[in-house]
Amino acid sequence: SQTIHQWPATLVQPVGSPLSLECTVEGTSNPNLYWYRQAAGRGLQLLFYSVGIGQISSEVPQNLSASRPQDRQFILSSKKLLLSDSGFYLCAWIRSARYNEQFFGPGTRLTVL
Amino acid sequence: KQEVTQIPAALSVPEGENLVLNCSFTDSAIYNLQWFRQDPGKGLTSLLLIQSSQREQTSGRLNASLDKSSGRSTLYIAASQPGDSATYLCAVYSGGYQKVTFGIGTKLQVIP
Repeated sequence: SQTIHQWPATLVQPVGSPLSLECTVEGTSNPNLYWYRQAAGRGLQLLFYSVGIGQISSEVPQNLSASRPQDRQFILSSKKLLLSDSGFYLCAWIRSARYNEQFFGPGTRLTVL
Repeated sequence: KQEVTQIPAALSVPEGENLVLNCSFTDSAIYNLQWFRQDPGKGLTSLLLIQSSQREQTSGRLNASLDKSSGRSTLYIAASQPGDSATYLCAVYSGGYQKVTFGIGTKLQVIP
């Protein structure tokens, strides 16, 4: 069966510090991968998606970047965090392009102080 | 631009009641619609996926329907239990698999 991992689970960082969040998927190959942010009282915002190694598409301009160094690894980064980067970050993968069924990881709670 | 609305924003019901959660979307040209539940501080758990050619899907006490022409989906929960308490989100896939739009969700509380 497929599983998706995210770490760390929680993170508290000062403004201006760098960020690296990691997401890995097991039990599948060549998944489509997604990074979302969920702010309090708001819906999920798609940040990045990737259809393959080194292929990243950004949905919104922001202080963040994403990379996919391996088939089942997706990384969300920032060089300098802003207060507005605080939120709940979720990684997801698609079962197949045909069925578009997304499965989510457990999330990372980021607090920027 | 696709917009997804979920009504009500919050719902509190006594245990054992049947209930309906609503999801509406503005662009009827969708590929799929997916219902999730989210427990506080947790990721999303997939409940049901309805493909655009389907009218409904069932899983246990859950039944989701889809009416593309009217831009609506409903999630029916039968015989609600306290363990059903969570936020329920609707996600609409349109314009390709990367174009996923989520509603803000309905926060459900089932009172024992």
